[in-house]
Amino acid sequence: EVQLVESGGGLVQPGGSLRLSCSASGFTFSNYAMHWVRQAPGKGLEYVSAMSSNGGSTYHADSVKGRFTISRDNSKNMLYLQMSSLRDEDTAVYYCVRESCSGGDCYLHFDYWGKGTLVTVSS
Amino acid sequence: QSALTQPRSVSGSPGQSVTISCTGTSSDVGGYKYVSWYQQHPGKAPKLMIYDVSKRPSGVPDRFSGSKSGNTASLTISGLQAEDEADYYCCSYAGSYAYVFGTGTKVTVL
Repeated sequence: EVQLVESGGGLVQPGGSLRLSCSASGFTFSNYAMHWVRQAPGKGLEYVSAMSSNGGSTYHADSVKGRFTISRDNSKNMLYLQMSSLRDEDTAVYYCVRESCSGGDCYLHFDYWGKGTLVTVSS
Repeated sequence: QSALTQPRSVSGSPGQSVTISCTGTSSDVGGYKYVSWYQQHPGKAPKLMIYDVSKRPSGVPDRFSGSKSGNTASLTISGLQAEDEADYYCCSYAGSYAYVFGTGTKVTVL
């Protein structure tokens, strides 16, 4: 069974830093591109970051570029999101998301989502 | 990337059909066949309902269907059921690993 379990959320002051982790199981993690998507309280989904299966390619939305860094450790089946210079508007549930992939190809949609971890930025 | 535009809410009685629109630009919805739709019940993670504009993952009822014309994609729920009451989000690939989500639509079953 595919499982994505996020951790590392919590309360942080504006300007602070936090590292989110996502533990993956039930599939060959190194074969899949992975993503972070967030959702502010009572708001819609916002795409945050992506990393290719081998870690060679990354993407960060303009809203987080220069402040957030996505990374992965395929030997540990882990995905990370290092967040710094946090702002009030970064308050959200952060979801770890798997992209649908097979046989080395990825298909540009998201087939499994974790339950999310809440990040609250407040003084 | 600006969010794709969806109606804030749609509603219908059980058994009726509802359609949710998702309007973008030629840089996202209009430029790619990679539009997907996600259902989200309160307090839950999103669930994939439609991918590649009109394909259904296994396990998704065939009363969910998708289409696209130009810069606008649509999700239709036929034979509306109580359990379909949820928020729905479209998502489009926008090139170079970028994706953009829609603003979200609340579906109410009357």
